[in-house]
Amino acid sequence: GQQVQQSPASLVLQEGENAELQCNFSTSLNSMQWFYQRPGGSLVSLFYNPSGTKHSGRLTSTTVIKERRSSLHISSSQTTDSGTYLCARMDSNYQLIWGSGTKLIIKP
Amino acid sequence: ETAVFQTPNYHVTQVGNEVSFNCKQTLGHDTMYWYKQDSKKLLKIMFSYNNKQLIVNETVPRRFSPQSSDKAHLNLRIKSVEPEDSAVYLCASSPGLGYEQYFGPGTRLTVL
Repeated sequence: GQQVQQSPASLVLQEGENAELQCNFSTSLNSMQWFYQRPGGSLVSLFYNPSGTKHSGRLTSTTVIKERRSSLHISSSQTTDSGTYLCARMDSNYQLIWGSGTKLIIKP
Repeated sequence: ETAVFQTPNYHVTQVGNEVSFNCKQTLGHDTMYWYKQDSKKLLKIMFSYNNKQLIVNETVPRRFSPQSSDKAHLNLRIKSVEPEDSAVYLCASSPGLGYEQYFGPGTRLTVL
C-alpha cells in the first residue's frame, strides 16, 4: 500500500499567505527529506530532517518520529514558491520512498 | 550549483532500441542512485550503488542495468526499450547510505 501519504494534493494561495504541507508515513521512519521540483523537473533538496524542527529562511520543516509525520511550512508565500513539493522517507535499504507531491500555486 | 550531472537531457527512440544514460557526481560521495519519475510525477527507486554493492528494486525489469566505472559515475542502460519506459530518469548521490541525497536535472526518455 501507499507508504507515504502527502497532502494536500494541490494548494492555491494568495501571495503573502502561509502554506502548510503534510506527509504521513505508514511505517516507522528512519529519515526523511523535503524537495522542491522546478517546472523543468530538477529536484532541489529543501530539508534533510530525521527529527525535530529545522528552519531555512521562510521555510520550516518539523518531523515527529513517534507520530510518523512531517510537515513543511512556508511563511509569507511568494509567486516564486509555486511548484511541486515532494516528501520522501528512507527505507531500510536507505533508498527514498516518495509521496505523490503537493502542487502549490501562489497567485499574485 | 549543480554537482550531479546527467546526459543527455532528452532522448527519443523507438521500441526495441538500446539506450544509455550517463550520471556523474563531483561531490566526492560514496553512494549513487537511479530513480524513475512517470507521467503522473510519481517517483520510484530503481537502484542504489554503494562501495560496489548494488541494491536493486525488485520491480525493476531486467532490461535495466546500472553500470559503474568508479564511485563518481553510475550510468543506466536499457537493453530493449518498451513504451512504458517513457519517463524522466533521475540520478542522485549521497555521502553514504542514510545521508541526504542530491539530485541531477534528469533525463527525459520518450519511446515511440
